[in-house]
Amino acid sequence: QVQLQESGPGLVKPSETLSLTCAVSGYSISSDYYWGWIRQPPGKGLEWIGNIYPSGSAYYNPSLRGRVTLSIDTSKNQFSLKLSSVTAADTAVYYCVRDSQYAIRALFDYWGQGTLVTVSS
Amino acid sequence: QSALTQPASVSGSPGQSITISCSGTSSDIGAYRYVSWYQQHPGKAPKLLISDVGNRPSGVSNRFSGSKSGNTASLTISGLQAEDEADYFCSAYISGATTVVFGGGTKLTVL
Repeated sequence: QVQLQESGPGLVKPSETLSLTCAVSGYSISSDYYWGWIRQPPGKGLEWIGNIYPSGSAYYNPSLRGRVTLSIDTSKNQFSLKLSSVTAADTAVYYCVRDSQYAIRALFDYWGQGTLVTVSS
Repeated sequence: QSALTQPASVSGSPGQSITISCSGTSSDIGAYRYVSWYQQHPGKAPKLLISDVGNRPSGVSNRFSGSKSGNTASLTISGLQAEDEADYFCSAYISGATTVVFGGGTKLTVL
């Protein structure tokens, strides 16, 4: 059973960097699947942030490019998100997810429970 | 990239069938079969309902079905049940940009 669990600060100050980690259990992330992050502002829809492959190749939402960095640590079976220069607009529930094997297909079959990150001073 | 277009809300009575549309462009929905649908109950993480336009993952009821015509994908729920009341989101891969886009979401009310 694949399980994903997000962790990180629930409160970040404006202009600082949001950092989250997703620990994966029940499956080796060094296998050929894409792993990613999706966020959902309170009461709003879903927004794809980006995906990363075990090789380290990452793809990002153009609207966030320049502020977002994904990384992966296969030795710890986890991957991470960093979002810089945050504003109140970045307040959201952040989900880590698994996409498809070998290719990005917008097929997110496993989700973490989500973690609320609030940007406020 | 623009979000896919979904109706904000749909409703139906128990036992009826409803269809939720998801409109995109020739660069996303029209380009590949990489279209998925998700169900989200309040306070919960989304759940994958349909992948690759019309494939149901194991464990998903056969009351849920997906299709595509041109640049528009559709999710049909037959035999509506009270438990189907939730938000539904479509997603698609954008060719040439290696990115993913979601629809704005549709709130289904079971009357």
